[in-house]
Formats: sequence, structure tokens, C-alpha cells
Amino acid sequence: QQQVKQSPQSLIVQKGGISIINCAYENTAFDYFPWYQQFPGKGPALLIAIRPDVSEKKEGRFTISFNKSAKQFSLHIMDSQPGDSATYFCAAERNQGGKLIFGQGTELSVKP
Amino acid sequence: DTGVSQNPRHKITKRGQNVTFRCDPISEHNRLYWYRQTLGQGPEFLTYFQNEAQLEKSRLLSDRFSAERPKGSFSTLEIQRTEQGDSAMYLCARGTSGRPGELFFGEGSRLTVL
Repeated sequence: QQQVKQSPQSLIVQKGGISIINCAYENTAFDYFPWYQQFPGKGPALLIAIRPDVSEKKEGRFTISFNKSAKQFSLHIMDSQPGDSATYFCAAERNQGGKLIFGQGTELSVKP
Repeated sequence: DTGVSQNPRHKITKRGQNVTFRCDPISEHNRLYWYRQTLGQGPEFLTYFQNEAQLEKSRLLSDRFSAERPKGSFSTLEIQRTEQGDSAMYLCARGTSGRPGELFFGEGSRLTVL
């Protein structure tokens, strides 16, 4: 019940295309859903986050779609660029405690 | 720059030795977290501090692991009698005042146990 399941494990997208990464969770007590971006040799960096009272949040080329009834959320990267090539992690937590449960990660490669 | 400095960045040690990692947040943020990340996996929560108080510890944190945050500033994570299964990246993160769910991670300390 504490798991967050992420797919796909890896993703190859052409430059300018849309990258879509999906996550599913079981614990309905989760109330904060961030996405992190991690480059090799670096720590994860917060990209965008959403709370379950909204169905979508957009920041630049990055959009989170949230489906509370299905207990699923996804990250869309519009106009994907080679610089977006990184590993992306979804996460979830409850009560804003900072104890994040991370997904397994998606390695994104954007081809020029 | 996430405002979190970790040292050492890399540590290679032999099985059975003790190692200590240090985390220095840029300023004295209330909350400080330790996570562990193994190759190809997402980070896993280990423990966190509210000021100098250690409020929660994961079951992943065996009795060989100890974390401290004296005076509520920097923090240390010590692993005693290291095992090969301890090989991982150890990540420190700070919370954000007023928005504790948002974490800023350091670049991590990579441990290799031979």
C-alpha cells in the first residue's frame, strides 16, 4: 500500500515530441505528488508537484495530470529537448512530512 | 545550487570498516532528511530531523546506522561494520520553510563497500 509504481522503465523520444511517464499509487492518504529529475552524478531535483484537489498543473513545458479516482498521475513533457534526457522519478507523501515514497524511475532519452 | 553540501562525495571502504557522511545545509533549515539510493532505483527514506530531534527512522536503518544533527545545523550519518549491501548513494535533503513537502537534495555521497 506504500508503493508507487512507475512506467515505463525507459523511454526514447524524438526532439520536439511529447514524453509521457505514468505513476500509480494505492494509499489514498497520500496528499502530495512531486516529480523529480535526476542527472547522472547529481541528486534529484524537484521539477513540479501537485496536490489531489486539482486535476492538472502546468509549468512551462511540464504538465502533471492527476486522476484521483483512478489513483494515477502522469508527467507530460511537451516539445522534448535533448537537455531533458535524464531519469525522472514520481513520488508521493502524506501530511507534508517530507517522507517521500519514490517510484522506480524512468530513464528518458531525447534524440536530436 | 540546492543549498545542501555533502561530504565526501565518494567513499570506498572495505567490509567491516566504519564510515561517516556529513551534510551541511546552506542555513539552519528546520527539517533535514537522509535517503538512500541504489543503482537503478528511486531514493528510499531513511530518517529525518526537525531541528536537532530525530523524529522518524525507517526500518531500513538497522542498528549499524546512526544519524545525528547536533545543534540543529549539520548532520552526520555513520555506518558501522559496513557490508557490501550498504553500497549506495546516500542523499541528504533539506525541507523548505512553510512547504515541508518540497525537498532539495544534495549531490549525495556514494559509498562502495569492497
